[in-house]
Amino acid sequence: DIVMTQTPLSSPVTLGQPASISCRSSQSLVHSDGNTYLSWFQQRPGQPPRLLISKISNRFSGVPDRFSGSGAGTDFTLEISRVEAEDVGVYYCMQATQLPPLFGQGTKLEIK
Amino acid sequence: EVKLVESGGGLVQPGGSLRLSCAASGFTFSTYWMSWVRHAPGEGPEWVANIMLGGSEKSYVDSVKGRFTISRDNAKNSLYLEMNSLRAEDTAIYYCVRVGSGRTFEYWGQGTLVTVSS
Repeated sequence: DIVMTQTPLSSPVTLGQPASISCRSSQSLVHSDGNTYLSWFQQRPGQPPRLLISKISNRFSGVPDRFSGSGAGTDFTLEISRVEAEDVGVYYCMQATQLPPLFGQGTKLEIK
Repeated sequence: EVKLVESGGGLVQPGGSLRLSCAASGFTFSTYWMSWVRHAPGEGPEWVANIMLGGSEKSYVDSVKGRFTISRDNAKNSLYLEMNSLRAEDTAIYYCVRVGSGRTFEYWGQGTLVTVSS
């Protein structure tokens, strides 16, 4: 199985400042169809995970444009341009290029 | 509005069985793959099973193969997960999830808690 590794595990940030989360896979996530099936999810306390971004950089419906995704191959990044209080929670990357779909261990975003 | 509502969770003894249900609304259920994803405390979410449109093609994470069965009833807009031979490590919140075109989990229900304990 592919292994997904996120860094950092915890990220204290100041309101209004940027935040960045890294996700690395143990194998290339480029599928034979040319797509890279790497997604990002946000989980606020007491809520189910919420899709933010699919296929590296495609923001899902209703997701604010302060969230952006980038990367290729095995290295990917989620960036929040200006952190707001509602962004507190745990962020997960997930690969679906190969079965089984696998999530990273999560990065906890908290306000300083 | 897409809505997924799970039911059927609860406390069960090791070796026991449960059947989870998910009622879907707000979209054409029969045109989407569906999944179950579980989330145990302190861990990342874990995909459990997928089922394709007609229900004939299914896939499972290795740890539940032979014990869990995913199924769907497109006429009732419902998804199911039959869980047998339950183990303590199956304890988690189980989410019903709609799979999107980007092979991603687009919409999640609120989840139903399964606790396996004596």
